[in-house]
Amino acid sequence: DAKTTQPNSMESNEEEPVHLPCNHSTISGTDYIHWYRQLPSQGPEYVIHGLTSNVNNRMASLAIAEDRKSSTLILHRATLRDAAVYYCILRDGGSSNTGKLIFGQGTTLQVKP
Amino acid sequence: DAGITQSPRHKVTETGTPVTLRCHQTENHRYMYWYRQDPGHGLRLIHYSYGVKDTDKGEVSDGYSVSRSKTEDFLLTLESATSSQTSVYFCAISRDKYSNQPQHFGDGTRLSIL
Repeated sequence: DAKTTQPNSMESNEEEPVHLPCNHSTISGTDYIHWYRQLPSQGPEYVIHGLTSNVNNRMASLAIAEDRKSSTLILHRATLRDAAVYYCILRDGGSSNTGKLIFGQGTTLQVKP
Repeated sequence: DAGITQSPRHKVTETGTPVTLRCHQTENHRYMYWYRQDPGHGLRLIHYSYGVKDTDKGEVSDGYSVSRSKTEDFLLTLESATSSQTSVYFCAISRDKYSNQPQHFGDGTRLSIL
């Protein structure tokens, strides 16, 4: 399973944009890039996913590098509720027969008022 | 929000007792998963199911069994609980196993074994 590397922690100010980076230099051509977040005392929450093109949804945007070796989750306007651990996960689109998610340590985002 | 309910939400029990955790979904998704989350280890897969009566082991399955007699229910059983099984347990569901499908998680069960 391909690995991802994320900073342990980041800080942001409320109402400012946040860019959360993720490196995945060993990504294969069939791996999708998924982002989840986990708020305190809650289960992980799906945020967004993509393969090659940049993606937008109501929660966030995902910018994927042209060589796919890195990606960035963009929160356009951080709120206090966005303080969470953010996980960047590669899901194997090829041989995996479980569909399991492999969680790393993620990035702990602090949002300051 | 995906319709996933885990029960109980909290449980304290003693070593050696059997414990069953329940995951109930209203989404009619085929795949269901049990993960545990421990400090320093992140979330790890215990067992998963790909249909009624179809289950398989994950990476940390020792000491756990599962059953799925209906699409909507996935049960996790600790036959004889040990202190090392103190953890937060999360159930997840997915329409299928493919990489372009998200998983949706329940709010977890916090299990303490004394």
